[in-house]
Amino acid sequence: AQKITQTQPGMFVQEKEAVTLDCTYDTSDPSYGLFWYKQPSSGEMIFLIYQGSYDQQNATEGRYSLNFQKARKSANLVISASQLGDSAMYFCAMREMAYNTDKLIFGTGTRLQVFP
Amino acid sequence: EAGVTQFPSHSVIEKGQTVTLRCDPISGHDNLYWYRRVMGKEIKFLLHFVKESKQDESGMPNNRFLAERTGGTYSTLKVQPAELEDSGVYFCASSHGKGTYEQYFGPGTRLTVT
Repeated sequence: AQKITQTQPGMFVQEKEAVTLDCTYDTSDPSYGLFWYKQPSSGEMIFLIYQGSYDQQNATEGRYSLNFQKARKSANLVISASQLGDSAMYFCAMREMAYNTDKLIFGTGTRLQVFP
Repeated sequence: EAGVTQFPSHSVIEKGQTVTLRCDPISGHDNLYWYRRVMGKEIKFLLHFVKESKQDESGMPNNRFLAERTGGTYSTLKVQPAELEDSGVYFCASSHGKGTYEQYFGPGTRLTVT
């Protein structure tokens, strides 16, 4: 069965510093997709970044980059130049696709707090 | 373009009562998903609609939960009768189709069963 593990329940980072949020995954499927979502205190889930298993390069979206290490089955999110508005819950997720299903498997999340 | 909307944002009901949650997906999105996050745990898949058909309902906890998507537009998720362990945040998400990967999430409905 597919599984996502986020081992950091909480992380602190100072404003303008970079921070890495860890995510490891387990799957036997050769084709898969990995996502990161941000959930601020307002509750909505905001898509941040996507990495396909066959993508040759690590995904980047502005200050977000995904450190994809396929052999280690890790997909860590790197946020550069942290801002106070980055304080939120961050969820790593994997897309499970089969002939009769298409769903996201989530980790338990990491709460990031950015301080001045 | 309007995002995924959910109603209500918060519902407090007593054990044994019935609650109906509504989700309006992004216009034109055939795929609609329901997820739930129970306090402190991971977000878990409940079910997936393709248009009005249930593609996968393997995550539905039990037969107290009933989801519908009449006409392939908005969806409702009814819990009847509600139990204490049903408390949590219920998220709805939609996506255009299998050719695209991103699921757009709504703000969620926080359900509290007392």
